[in-house]
Amino acid sequence: DVKVTQSSRYLVKRTGEKVFLECVQDMDHENMFWYRQDPGLGLRLIYFSYDVKMKEKGDIPEGYSVSREKKERFSLILESASTNQTSMYLCASSTPGRGRGNTIYFGEGSWLTVV
Amino acid sequence: GENVEQHPSTLSVQEGDSAVIKCTYSDSASNYFPWYKQELGKRPQLIIDIRSNVGEKKDQRIAVTLNKTAKHFSLHITETQPEDSAVYFCAAPPPGRRALTFGSGTRLQVQP
Repeated sequence: DVKVTQSSRYLVKRTGEKVFLECVQDMDHENMFWYRQDPGLGLRLIYFSYDVKMKEKGDIPEGYSVSREKKERFSLILESASTNQTSMYLCASSTPGRGRGNTIYFGEGSWLTVV
Repeated sequence: GENVEQHPSTLSVQEGDSAVIKCTYSDSASNYFPWYKQELGKRPQLIIDIRSNVGEKKDQRIAVTLNKTAKHFSLHITETQPEDSAVYFCAAPPPGRRALTFGSGTRLQVQP
C-alpha cells in the first residue's frame, strides 16, 4: 500500500515566517508533487519533481520553493508566509506510468493558517 | 496548458438515485482521465480512471464515459448511498508534464 506522509497536519504561523512542509513517500516513486487545495478552486499544482535535485514550476509557484535532496522526500518552503497562503497543502507521488497519465497518491494534507 | 472544467459544483440526490458529474478538457492530446474522491477530512483517492483507447469503463456502481471528439468525460454513480457523499475531482494531464490538472470539484450529498 502506497504511503505518502506529511509531517505536520495543522500549523499556525505568523506573517513573514519561513515555513517548511515536509513530505515522505515509501514507494520509491520518481515523481513528487505539491498541490494547494482551496474551496471552489480544486487542487492547484505548485511545484513538482521528476528526480532528486530536480524541480519544475507548476501553475502557482509564486511565493513558494521546493527541495528534493533524497528520492523519498520533497519539501515545500514558504520563504515569507503571507495570509493569502492560508490553505490546505497536499503532497503526492507517482510513478511515470504510460504516456502522460499516471496514478497520483496523496498524503493526508497539511492545514496551514498564517496570521 | 490543460484547462479542466467541472460541473456542477454541488449536487444533491436522494439515496438510490443516480448522480452524474461532467468535465471538459482542452488538450486534444490528453490520454488519461482519472476521478478522485475526497471524503471529509481525508486525502483524495483514485476511484476510477479511463484511457483514451476506450469509451467507457465500469466498476460496480461507478462508471466513467469519455467522448474524445467533444473533449469531455463524465462520472456516473448509480444507486447512490450516503457513503458516496464526498467531493469528487476529475483530472487530465497537462502537455509535457507528469502531473495532473484537476477540476474545481463537485460536492455530492446523498440524502438518506
